[in-house]
Amino acid sequence: GDSVTQMEGPVTLSEEAFLTINCTYTATGYPSLFWYVQYPGEGLQLLLKATKADDKGSNKGFEATYRKETTSFHLEKGSVQVSDSAVYFCALTNDYKLSFGAGTTVTVRA
Amino acid sequence: NAGVTQTPKFQVLKTGQSMTLQCAQDMNHNSMYWYRQDPGMGLRLIYYSASEGTTDKGEVPNGYNVSRLNKREFSLRLESAAPSQTSVYFCAGERYGGNNEQFFGPGTRLTVL
Repeated sequence: GDSVTQMEGPVTLSEEAFLTINCTYTATGYPSLFWYVQYPGEGLQLLLKATKADDKGSNKGFEATYRKETTSFHLEKGSVQVSDSAVYFCALTNDYKLSFGAGTTVTVRA
Repeated sequence: NAGVTQTPKFQVLKTGQSMTLQCAQDMNHNSMYWYRQDPGMGLRLIYYSASEGTTDKGEVPNGYNVSRLNKREFSLRLESAAPSQTSVYFCAGERYGGNNEQFFGPGTRLTVL
């Protein structure tokens, strides 16, 4: 079945540091790929998405590119802020079913 | 628009008790989903409803039942709660179904003693 594997955390960074969270997937067909973010005490919200190979999703300074050849969708941000502290989930949808990675906890220190 | 709402926000049950988690959306979603979130495991799909009048099992359906009452509401029932069902439960909706963005509710934190 479909699955998502993402970098284990926790990740602790200083403000203005570069952030990368690795995500790889296994799926049949042509899934859509997502990054969701969960701030403390809240539900998940969509950060960015890509629906086909070579698409780049971007939002709030975060970017991720759908790489079919490496089955990857790595999340990057060039300069993180304290407000980016959250849990980040890589996910894919395939025929109504959303499969999540385990989540990566990111803490940004001032 | 309230988006996706869930009630209750917190609940403590004793083993063997039953309860229903409620979810409603005002975003005209065709598809709705129930997930559970456990530490280190991400979110796992319990049940989903691709459209009004249909429901299907997800990855971890055992011990749960669902009802798609109408287009807006999708409830999750625990008939006989077990400690293994201690988790945070999220409801989500998806407008067109299939491979699109899902919108999540704020979650219900359930503890089964």
